[in-house]
Amino acid sequence: EAGVAQSPRYKIIEKRQSVAFWCNPISGHATLYWYQQILGQGPKLLIQFQNNGVVDDSQLPKDRFSAERLKGVDSTLKIQPAKLEDSAVYLCASSLGGGYSNQPQHFGDGTRLSIL
Amino acid sequence: DQQVKQNSPSLSVQEGRISILNCDYTNSMFDYFLWYKKYPAEGPTFLISISSIKDKNEDGRFTVFLNKSAKHLSLHIVPSQPGDSAVYFCAATTGGGNKLTFGTGTQLKVEL
Repeated sequence: EAGVAQSPRYKIIEKRQSVAFWCNPISGHATLYWYQQILGQGPKLLIQFQNNGVVDDSQLPKDRFSAERLKGVDSTLKIQPAKLEDSAVYLCASSLGGGYSNQPQHFGDGTRLSIL
Repeated sequence: DQQVKQNSPSLSVQEGRISILNCDYTNSMFDYFLWYKKYPAEGPTFLISISSIKDKNEDGRFTVFLNKSAKHLSLHIVPSQPGDSAVYFCAATTGGGNKLTFGTGTQLKVEL
């Protein structure tokens, strides 16, 4: 079974520039999550999709972050404009979702973003 | 407000011995708990989980214990192997499919 795919693996940009990350979840997984992991901390949820609908975006800084999952499969996360504090690893995860309770989330390898 | 806490940033254990990683939580609504292992430059890998209706779950060398009254869970690895050296994250959620709340991780080093 192929895992969660993310690209790019690394990205370096200057502050105020824009950046986008892509995620392809495990086939058949209805729920997709984007997490932000700052160095020395655990991952923190930014946004959760169930199919192509948003379930939870309460922690997403909506003035600069946006995400979409138009066809209920792939997802993109965008930051515009980037700030220094956005330097982090951005992790995508997926789970079966739907009527399946207590299913683990499976993570991709993440995109490491550095803001200069 | 740190709802999931891993108070030991690091742990060193000899190969073949038992590793015990601890995790405390404050939110009594959490009902599903997970442990993830993370190697450098890789994403977290799911290791083992436990539902709040159980107090123990075992998978090979890994056992997770849940003490709901103390709001405490622990991961036991027996016997520890050098390949177990990684950062271990405890995570919790309220109901299936909801967001995970993570601890800050414990760096485990298994020495020869």
